[in-house]
Amino acid sequence: QSVLTQPPSVSAAPGQKVTISCSGSSSNIGNNYVSWYQQLPGTAPKLLIYDNNKRPSGIPDRFSGSQSGTSATLGITGLQTGDEADYYCGTWDSSLSAWVFGGGTKLTVL
Amino acid sequence: EVQLVQSGAEVKKPGESLKISCKASAYSFTSYWIGWVRQMPGKGLEWMGIIYGGDSDTRYSPSFEGQVTMSADKSISTAYLQWSSLKASDTAIYYCVTSAMVRGVLNWFDPWGQGTLVTVSS
Repeated sequence: QSVLTQPPSVSAAPGQKVTISCSGSSSNIGNNYVSWYQQLPGTAPKLLIYDNNKRPSGIPDRFSGSQSGTSATLGITGLQTGDEADYYCGTWDSSLSAWVFGGGTKLTVL
Repeated sequence: EVQLVQSGAEVKKPGESLKISCKASAYSFTSYWIGWVRQMPGKGLEWMGIIYGGDSDTRYSPSFEGQVTMSADKSISTAYLQWSSLKASDTAIYYCVTSAMVRGVLNWFDPWGQGTLVTVSS
């Protein structure tokens, strides 16, 4: 059971938009920055979003992040088949003094 | 470009010991933390702990405290993860990651190593 809750799967058609939610508590998302990671099949995870809504160099602006209260959301617009991957949210939990990940969400582009 | 290169895949028997490595390049090893993340077959990501390259200050996740040992050799910019007695349940891919800590809080993980597959089977 993960400290951060994500939907197991989401799906949408190419060109459409999808959002992935990440729900936590005041000890994690409510008081610390959230980052998001993309894991393409058979590869290592890659940083997609940091500090709730910032994109590292090289990440297209089709990817966006937001945070409100104890929840965070990853948005992907203009879906491409190459976006099919597992997506994880993560943040520091001040009560546990540990980093926590969500359980991951599998994105299918139909 | 900052890069983390991990040691190759390992196949071990239960009860054996193991030490895997993660070599950093193109950044100041002594200014950042190196973390380890486990991914069991078909499962999600689990944070195991983190070690500071400067002085080897180590913080373990409560779930992994006592199960593994993290170490670092700053002279060769390399971090290590070791087991004294492997179990079948240690079968997983292990990723090393780089992070910074600000006021006791880790920020994000970037970059990630390519992963080391550890298989423990009799």
